[in-house]
Amino acid sequence: SAVISQKPSRDICQRGTSLTIQCQVDSQVTMMFWYRQQPGQSLTLIATANQGSEATYESGFVIDKFPISRPNLTFSTLTVSNMSPEDSSIYLCSAAWQVGGPHEQYFGPGTRLTVT
Amino acid sequence: DAKTTQPNSMESNEEEPVHLPCNHSTISGTDYIHWYRQLPSQGPEYVIHGLTSNVNNRMASLAIAEDRKSSTLILHRATLRDAAVYYCILRDASNYQLIWGAGTKLIIKP
Repeated sequence: SAVISQKPSRDICQRGTSLTIQCQVDSQVTMMFWYRQQPGQSLTLIATANQGSEATYESGFVIDKFPISRPNLTFSTLTVSNMSPEDSSIYLCSAAWQVGGPHEQYFGPGTRLTVT
Repeated sequence: DAKTTQPNSMESNEEEPVHLPCNHSTISGTDYIHWYRQLPSQGPEYVIHGLTSNVNNRMASLAIAEDRKSSTLILHRATLRDAAVYYCILRDASNYQLIWGAGTKLIIKP
């Protein structure tokens, strides 16, 4: 299993600013992901964070808006840039070990972002 | 992407078994069936997964129909701590992407 922590746990930001969310895993993992969960909704995958290379973004999400870093096998950051109230959401980091196998994903507690 | 269909909500009494259904009629031969749950104000938590055969673990059992077009998550003895949104998800064996549906909100009555 893995323990995943996220910082900050919550924040209130003004529109037009940017926020960087950190995700730390207590062991080396193969895969890391970033999700968004809007209030009362299900999870939507933003991107796969690739170690040492550019993240792979899902349809509707772009690097300029959600730049992602993954400098090593235990850490990743997601930046929400030029924020608007529509970016108010919970952002979740997850991790998994092995590509191709039916291994579970472990999730962080989430970062609750409110944009005013 | 293969889709799943779940009831929006279900209620159950504490200490009783709970059967949470999921339909996935467009499942492909390489799709695994995963179940996660999300307790209030927490990140999702893995519950169980399977491919063809029924599966048991310490949290729950997964019953998979013979044609794999539906499955049922079984909580053998629900407690108040099992109140959560339960997600049934299909995952292709070739990648790690989980495509999340709306899930079932499970309400446990004391």
